[in-house]
Amino acid sequence: GAVVSQHPSWVICKSGTSVKIECRSLDFQATTMFWYRQFPKQSLMLMATSNEGSKATYEQGVEKDKFLINHASLTLSTLTVTSAHPEDSSFYICSARESGRAPKSFNEQFFGPGTRLTVL
Amino acid sequence: GENVEQHPSTLSVQEGDSAVIKCTYSDSASNYFPWYKQELGKRPQLIIDIRSNVGEKKDQRIAVTLNKTAKHFSLHITETQPEDSAVYFCAASMILSGSARQLTFGSGTQLTVLP
Repeated sequence: GAVVSQHPSWVICKSGTSVKIECRSLDFQATTMFWYRQFPKQSLMLMATSNEGSKATYEQGVEKDKFLINHASLTLSTLTVTSAHPEDSSFYICSARESGRAPKSFNEQFFGPGTRLTVL
Repeated sequence: GENVEQHPSTLSVQEGDSAVIKCTYSDSASNYFPWYKQELGKRPQLIIDIRSNVGEKKDQRIAVTLNKTAKHFSLHITETQPEDSAVYFCAASMILSGSARQLTFGSGTQLTVLP
């Protein structure tokens, strides 16, 4: 159990276009989802915390108008990179935390497989 | 906010030897410390975690120790195998209302186990 999927797994786009990445919890409900960005050979940096039914909380330095987050249901959060530029090329990873009944390890966040974004 | 430092950035060991990775954290309110293993291009996978009410936890070849006073925690891998080669991240978080809040990650350690 506790599977998180992301779509697409990779995307290549032209500079100036927008890209939407989906994060789904497949077998549990997730009140909270987290979006991370990971540049090559670097750590995961939290971009924002997505709460179902409310506005996302963005980390300092992350432009909320550029990285649009929507968490419309307990199983889906989306990240839209608007007007993407080459410097936005990165590995975007979401994670989800189960709400309600605690899983085996209620502390655990379950990570998606990541989305490799390349902006030309 | 929380700041997590991780050392070393790279670590090479011979197969069968032990590997130790160390992390320090800054926020004394943090009380949950997971360790993740990430293979190239894949998602981080939780390998072990520890809460601040415990000083040590072991799971087969993997163990984690925590020193709350000094605000540091370490990952120990014994009898290393080539498949242990990966990037390892420590993280710190706070458990509130029964669930963990956002994770702050260390910078990562590239572990290479030489056959």
